[in-house]
Amino acid sequence: AQTVTQSQPEMSVQEAETVTLSCTYDTSESNYYLFWYKQPPSRQMILVIRQEAYKQQNATENRFSVNFQKAAKSFSLKISDSQLGDTAMYFCALAYGGATNKLIFGTGTLLAVQP
Amino acid sequence: DTGVSQDPRHKITKRGQNVTFRCDPISEHNRLYWYRQTLGQGPEFLTYFQNEAQLEKSRLLSDRFSAERPKGSFSTLEIQRTEQGDSAMYLCASSPPGTSHTDTQYFGPGTRLTVL
Repeated sequence: AQTVTQSQPEMSVQEAETVTLSCTYDTSESNYYLFWYKQPPSRQMILVIRQEAYKQQNATENRFSVNFQKAAKSFSLKISDSQLGDTAMYFCALAYGGATNKLIFGTGTLLAVQP
Repeated sequence: DTGVSQDPRHKITKRGQNVTFRCDPISEHNRLYWYRQTLGQGPEFLTYFQNEAQLEKSRLLSDRFSAERPKGSFSTLEIQRTEQGDSAMYLCASSPPGTSHTDTQYFGPGTRLTVL
């Protein structure tokens, strides 16, 4: 079975500081993808960053970067220079190819950026 | 491109009534997904369409649930004889065919269902 675990239900960070959200996963598949999605309050879920498991280089998107540790099955998200607009629920998700590519989500981490 | 749209955004119904939700995916996206998200949880997969074919259904999708995508464009999700446990946010997502980002899903705003 594929599982995604986010052990931090809530986190808080001061504006302009850096925060890291944790995610661990379990899969027996060799070909899979990992994602961080952001769900702002009362707004739709949007993709933050994606990582192909076969790539050793960690993905980066502007202020967002990941630390992908394949052997440890760990996929953390680092947000640099946090902004008020980063306040949201963050979900880690796994898709393992095949015909469906359905996403398996963690339970989410609610991030509050304080002014 | 206007993104994935869902209608209605909110639905309040009484237990035992039938409800139907609609999802319009991004143009040219042939893959369409339905998820359900309950309070405090991540979304859970319900069903998947590739074009008009429903290729996978979750065990969460009881026989009261039915989904269609008749022409491979928009999709509908119907819940018959609603129960209070059906109260949740129903999310639709789509992804493109045959590109390196086939795996990336784009989500709609969701339909929030409240069953009284």
